[in-house]
Amino acid sequence: EDQVTQSPEALRLQEGESSSLNCSYTVSGLRGLFWYRQDPGKGPEFLFTLYSAGEEKEKERLKATLTKKESFLHITAPKPEDSATYLCAVQAKETSGSRLTFGEGTQLTVNP
Amino acid sequence: DGGITQSPKYLFRKEGQNVTLSCEQNLNHDAMYWYRQDPGQGLRLIYYSQIVNDFQKGDIAEGYSVSREKKESFPLTVTSAQKNPTAFYLCASKRGLYHETQYFGPGTRLLVL
Repeated sequence: EDQVTQSPEALRLQEGESSSLNCSYTVSGLRGLFWYRQDPGKGPEFLFTLYSAGEEKEKERLKATLTKKESFLHITAPKPEDSATYLCAVQAKETSGSRLTFGEGTQLTVNP
Repeated sequence: DGGITQSPKYLFRKEGQNVTLSCEQNLNHDAMYWYRQDPGQGLRLIYYSQIVNDFQKGDIAEGYSVSREKKESFPLTVTSAQKNPTAFYLCASKRGLYHETQYFGPGTRLLVL
């Protein structure tokens, strides 16, 4: 059974204080790992897809990296507008319908 | 603008009542999905459809039903058999077999009166 564990559950940062969110996963052959951002009361917004160990992707202050067991979402010099819940999901190679398995998310708060 | 729309934003259900949540996309995506989100839990898959007139159960399909009569529409009915329907419901779509990324709609919050 595919599993995704995100840590920490919640993270409070001061504006400009860089940090990382963790997504540990077990899957029977990874097809893709996905990061989403979700604001309260809204649908998840797609951020990144990573396919293989060693791959990195960047977008503004966010950088996602992938190893064979985990992914990190690095946030550099965060701003209050980066406050949101960040969701990680995996898709297995042999899954039907391209279904995703999600973690519970990390709730990030950036204080000014 | 291309995107996924869900309506209504809020929905109230009475005991014994069936309610239907709408999901429409104009992205020309082949696959569509319904997820349920509860506080402190990851998104859980209810149903999905890869082509018109075909759909499969996800992990928590009991008490729900769907149809896929048109490519752009995938409505979800929450039946009276679903004993704990209060949740945030999210619809997603994906382009096709060789495209992995799912894109989400804004969600519908269902509350029980």
